[in-house]
Amino acid sequence: AQSVAQPEDQVNVAEGNPLTVKCTYSVSGNPYLFWYVQYPNRGLQFLLKYITGDNLVKGSYGFEAEFNKSQTSFHLKKPSALVSDSALYFCAVRDWNYGQNFVFGPGTRLSVLP
Amino acid sequence: GAGVSQSPRYKVAKRGQDVALRCDPISGHVSLFWYQQALGQGPEFLTYFQNEAQLDKSGLPSDRFFAERPEGSVSTLKIQRTQQEDSAVYLCASSWGGGAGLGYTFGSGTRLTVV
Repeated sequence: AQSVAQPEDQVNVAEGNPLTVKCTYSVSGNPYLFWYVQYPNRGLQFLLKYITGDNLVKGSYGFEAEFNKSQTSFHLKKPSALVSDSALYFCAVRDWNYGQNFVFGPGTRLSVLP
Repeated sequence: GAGVSQSPRYKVAKRGQDVALRCDPISGHVSLFWYQQALGQGPEFLTYFQNEAQLDKSGLPSDRFFAERPEGSVSTLKIQRTQQEDSAVYLCASSWGGGAGLGYTFGSGTRLTVV
């Protein structure tokens, strides 16, 4: 079965500092990994994905994520946080062997303090 | 349309009432998904359509939940005899194909409150 863990409910970071939002996953086959962001009263917005190839993936709004197969992790990073990055972040995994749907993590609330 | 449209945005239902939630996917998108997001939780899969065919309904929590997409475009999620535990945001998402590497486009959701 697929599962996703986001070990931190909340991450606080000062504006201008680097940020990391952690994600680990478990799948039986090859993982397809995604990050989505959710602003209040809005749907989920796609940030980036890892399918294959380079382990460092660059996405929207300056975010990037690194796929680490040995640690089964896909941490989201940004070199310099903005106050406007404050939102709820979800990691998701998709295993082609188990159908079409995503399994989402519980979410991490990021607060960027001015 | 430009995005995935869901209606209504908010719905308050009395316990025991039936509700119908609508999803208008992006034109031409073959795949359509419904997710349930409880307060403070990540979205949980409910059901998946490819065109008009419901290929996976393993996430529907009970037989009170029913989804359809009769013409392969608009989809309706129906909940019969609503209960308080059904209170959640119901998210619809679509994608143009079934490839596992494709991301979804999500709608803004319908917030259902059962009182």
